[in-house]
Amino acid sequence: EVQLLESGGGLVQPGGSLRLSCTTSGFTFSNYAMSWARQAPGKGLEWVAVISGGGGSIYYADSVKGRFTISRDNSKNTLYLQMNSLRAEDTAVYYCAKVMVQPGRTIRPFDFWGQGTLVTVSS
Amino acid sequence: IHLTQSPSSLSASVGDRVTITCRASQDISSHLAWYQQKPGKAPKLLIYAASTLQSGVPSRFSGSGSGTDFTLTISSLQPEDFATYYCQQLNSYPLTFGGGTKVEIK
Repeated sequence: EVQLLESGGGLVQPGGSLRLSCTTSGFTFSNYAMSWARQAPGKGLEWVAVISGGGGSIYYADSVKGRFTISRDNSKNTLYLQMNSLRAEDTAVYYCAKVMVQPGRTIRPFDFWGQGTLVTVSS
Repeated sequence: IHLTQSPSSLSASVGDRVTITCRASQDISSHLAWYQQKPGKAPKLLIYAASTLQSGVPSRFSGSGSGTDFTLTISSLQPEDFATYYCQQLNSYPLTFGGGTKVEIK
């Protein structure tokens, strides 16, 4: 059974930093790209970043580029999101998601999601 | 690529046929997915490649369209289908989601 468990959320002041983790099980982690998405309270979904299985290919949303860093440790089956220079508008539930296999496509949807971790940026 | 979903909300009864549309700001071929999200829960993948049903998803859900105009149809609405639905384009980065359509009980 695929399981994704986010951790590391909490309250942080504007300008501060936070690192989110997503521990996984139930699949061969290194074989799959992984992604982060977020959802501000009462709002819709926003994609944040994606990283390939080997970590060599990474893309970011414009809203977080230069402030957030996605990474992974395949020996620990864990995905990370380092968030720096946090702003009030970064307040959201952050989800990690497994990217599905879809032959012939390099950009693929998310077939499993974690339950999310809440990040609140406020003074 | 901007995705516009309509309507933003709708009220329907059990057994109704429901249609949600998603319009892309440019041609995305068939690179579109649909997700369902219930309150306090993570999204769930329903359909990808515009019309391919994800494993385990009931056949009352279907998707169609290509280019810029897409549709998610629920053929006979069930109590467990009351939720918010999002489209997502997978044509190019940055990935984007539509604004969502909330399906409520009439």
